[in-house]
Amino acid sequence: DAGVIQSPRHEVTEMGQEVTLRCKPISGHDYLFWYRQTMMRGLELLIYFNNNVPIDDSGMPEDRFSAKMPNASFSTLKIQPSEPRDSAVYFCASRRGLRGETQYFGPGTRLLVL
Amino acid sequence: GESVGLHLPTLSVQEGDNSIINCAYSNSASDYFIWYKQESGKGPQFIIDIRSNMDKRQGQRVTVLLNKTVKHLSLQIAATQPGDSAVYFCAERNSGSARQLTFGSGTQLTVLP
Repeated sequence: DAGVIQSPRHEVTEMGQEVTLRCKPISGHDYLFWYRQTMMRGLELLIYFNNNVPIDDSGMPEDRFSAKMPNASFSTLKIQPSEPRDSAVYFCASRRGLRGETQYFGPGTRLLVL
Repeated sequence: GESVGLHLPTLSVQEGDNSIINCAYSNSASDYFIWYKQESGKGPQFIIDIRSNMDKRQGQRVTVLLNKTVKHLSLQIAATQPGDSAVYFCAERNSGSARQLTFGSGTQLTVLP
């Protein structure tokens, strides 16, 4: 299995621009998680999905952030408009079922907003 | 003064020695724990997990110990190698929290030649 796939791996953009991060979970995994990692705050859960349905988005910082999962093999995290404080590494992770406790992380997208 | 970032605990060990990385968790209702390893520029990588009905679990060169009385988790790495240099995170899952993981701040392990 290729593991969790994220794209792009690096993104540099200017303040005010829209940013879209993409994730392909491991096949057969029905939970998908989006995390943000910064030096200031560590690893933070933003939102997670079960069977393509958002379950808990309480970690999403504000309305500028949105996430979708149109099907079992694809999810997006969008920031519009982006701000310099959004600069971070964004990770996607997936997991199989309630008994499949282990989350497997993707390589992350390093976002820099200038 | 204002903190400019997380102050990760650090651990330096000589190559070949054993390493012990500690983690204190806060929620006595947590029933599942994971250790992750994160190398520079990469995502967290699963190392080993343990459920709350166990107090010890062994993997290849790694052992996790769980002390529920004092809410303490440790990761032991035997014969530490240069490739073990990374940040190590513990994560806990609260059985009543819709099965989310809560991550600790991490420990930076540096293996000295």
